[in-house]
Amino acid sequence: GENVEQHPSTLSVQEGDSAVIKCTYSDSASNYFPWYKQELGKRPQLIIDIRSNVGEKKDQRIAVTLNKTAKHFSLHITETQPEDSAVYFCAASIKGFQKLVFGTGTRLLVSP
Amino acid sequence: DAGVTQSPTHLIKTRGQQVTLRCSPKSGHDTVSWYQQALGQGPQFIFQYYEEEERQRGNFPDRFSGHQFPNYSSELNVNALLLGDSALYLCASSEGQEGYTFGSGTRLTVV
Repeated sequence: GENVEQHPSTLSVQEGDSAVIKCTYSDSASNYFPWYKQELGKRPQLIIDIRSNVGEKKDQRIAVTLNKTAKHFSLHITETQPEDSAVYFCAASIKGFQKLVFGTGTRLLVSP
Repeated sequence: DAGVTQSPTHLIKTRGQQVTLRCSPKSGHDTVSWYQQALGQGPQFIFQYYEEEERQRGNFPDRFSGHQFPNYSSELNVNALLLGDSALYLCASSEGQEGYTFGSGTRLTVV
């Protein structure tokens, strides 16, 4: 079945720096790749997603890139702010919005 | 706000008991999925319901069962609770090509 690996497990940056989180998926049939931000004790919130027919998508300070050949996708956060501190999860699914397989999460800490 | 609502928010049960968790999907969403999130881990897919049928299931034992009602709301039932069932149980709803919206979850503690 599908497996999603996520790196790094923790990431510490200074405010204003960029942060990059990388994920690798195993099933080439995966065609939907969302990223979720989860603050302590709260629900996962969708921050950006990308479908397999697109290579890159941006939304203000957040961008996601997808390399279908290598089965890699990455989250890029520019000009990080302390409120970006949270756990970030990547996920992959086949056939659109059915079963999501999540990565193990990255704890991002942005220091002022 | 017509987001995903889950009840109860917290629950403490004893080993061997049974529990029922409830979820109301976001307005307009017809598909409900359930996930288990253990502390410090990513959510794990339990199953998904669409048109009152279980459409897909993850690697969870038969102790985990569910139901979807005509109004698209859903229940997750867990029988013969184990200590390892302690986790945050998340419900997510979706419709067509619109992405998942997660509820705030039910934190289940088994003692």
